[in-house]
Amino acid sequence: QKEVEQDPGPLSVPEGAIVSLNCTYSNSAFQYFMWYRQYSRKGPELLMYTYSSGNKEDGRFTAQVDKSSKYISLFIRDSQPSDSATYLCAMSKGGGADGLTFGKGTHLIIQP
Amino acid sequence: KAGVTQTPRYLIKTRGQQVTLSCSPISGHRSVSWYQQTPGQGLQFLFEYFSETQRNKGNFPGRFSGRQFSNSRSEMNVSTLELGDSALYLCASSGAAATDTQYFGPGTRLTVL
Repeated sequence: QKEVEQDPGPLSVPEGAIVSLNCTYSNSAFQYFMWYRQYSRKGPELLMYTYSSGNKEDGRFTAQVDKSSKYISLFIRDSQPSDSATYLCAMSKGGGADGLTFGKGTHLIIQP
Repeated sequence: KAGVTQTPRYLIKTRGQQVTLSCSPISGHRSVSWYQQTPGQGLQFLFEYFSETQRNKGNFPGRFSGRQFSNSRSEMNVSTLELGDSALYLCASSGAAATDTQYFGPGTRLTVL
């Protein structure tokens, strides 16, 4: 079993829909959780960064962490075609310096 | 503020050769991490440098090495290249604290023939 599981998709939704992306993990030592967006032939771009359990909102994006279930989610409201990309969850025990553990990414397609 | 830059962007090498990749972090960032991204394994952590010292290392063979200079710029070296080393190599920089967020560069696409 991999430490972080993420459905690779593709996930195709119509423009304006609410998108739900999620990851499960097995290592209870993870304390820091991130979501990155990666466009084709680009490096990952940080979207959300959270510590421990709880919710965090930033514009159209909401990140949720449930450590008791070892489950994290990213919600995108009012999705746009420009949101079409691969979304990667990442996590670490002590912050990024000890190395981030990534899911394989979910390929998201927003249909105009 | 300029982002993380990586050179070269593309490289083609043959098996058995060695390669050196370069990364310039965001100005003021002192931590540089390296990752390998492949379709099969996804993004995997190689190592992290801070103030010219390797602080953390992932599970990769000794053919993969790195260093960091006093200006925080970093290089990664892969010796005796194998076909399986073909990947996108990503560099990320962050501030001094271990919990600072990591910002990625565009990557170097390495193809081994």
